[in-house]
Amino acid sequence: GAVVSQHPSRVICKSGTSVKIECRSLDFQATTMFWYRQFPKQSLMLMATSNEGSKATYEQGVEKDKFLINHASLTLSTLTVTSAHPEDSSFYICSARDRTGANSPLHFGNGTRLTVT
Amino acid sequence: GNSVTQMEGPVTLSEEAFLTINCTYTATGYPSLFWYVQYPGEGLQLLLKATKADDKGSNKGFEATYRKETTSFHLEKGSVQVSDSAVYFCALSDRLLYNQGGKLIFGQGTELSVKP
Repeated sequence: GAVVSQHPSRVICKSGTSVKIECRSLDFQATTMFWYRQFPKQSLMLMATSNEGSKATYEQGVEKDKFLINHASLTLSTLTVTSAHPEDSSFYICSARDRTGANSPLHFGNGTRLTVT
Repeated sequence: GNSVTQMEGPVTLSEEAFLTINCTYTATGYPSLFWYVQYPGEGLQLLLKATKADDKGSNKGFEATYRKETTSFHLEKGSVQVSDSAVYFCALSDRLLYNQGGKLIFGQGTELSVKP
């Protein structure tokens, strides 16, 4: 079945540094990928929609200069948390839809646990 | 706007007990409805879905019926197992969201803990 690989699964970084998270669709092409953020015991908050070959669409309240999204190919989207601070610590999850399936479900990565010290 | 509301957790049940997790939604038009499951430390997996009123989605013993009159999509299972312990998310996607690539609006999640 369709698989979305997210890397790394865990990352610890110092405050002020930047962290890049990769999201790959392994056996399908994804025109659109989504980035979510999940706080402990809370729902997934959509951060942005990543479109291959164009700029990402950010949800209201999400700082686009802080959370840089690049979708350079049909199988890869990256989220870079720039100048990370402890409040950016969270679980980040990407999802992707197979471009060939009009009614295909979203496939989710296993998430990245970011801890900023 | 679109929103999804789930019953608060955690829900703690004994093995073989009956499970209901309530989900209600607000949406314009006719959304598609989904249940996703998240096991500890993992991403989300689609559990079941329904795309129109009165549809029943089912998978792995779980089922949910799309009730337009009550704007609900409650998740049920007749006999839960320890392995069902996870967080369950109700979600919707309407036609507009679908045309925006199919993004989902999630409820807050309900944690289920099943004891042996």
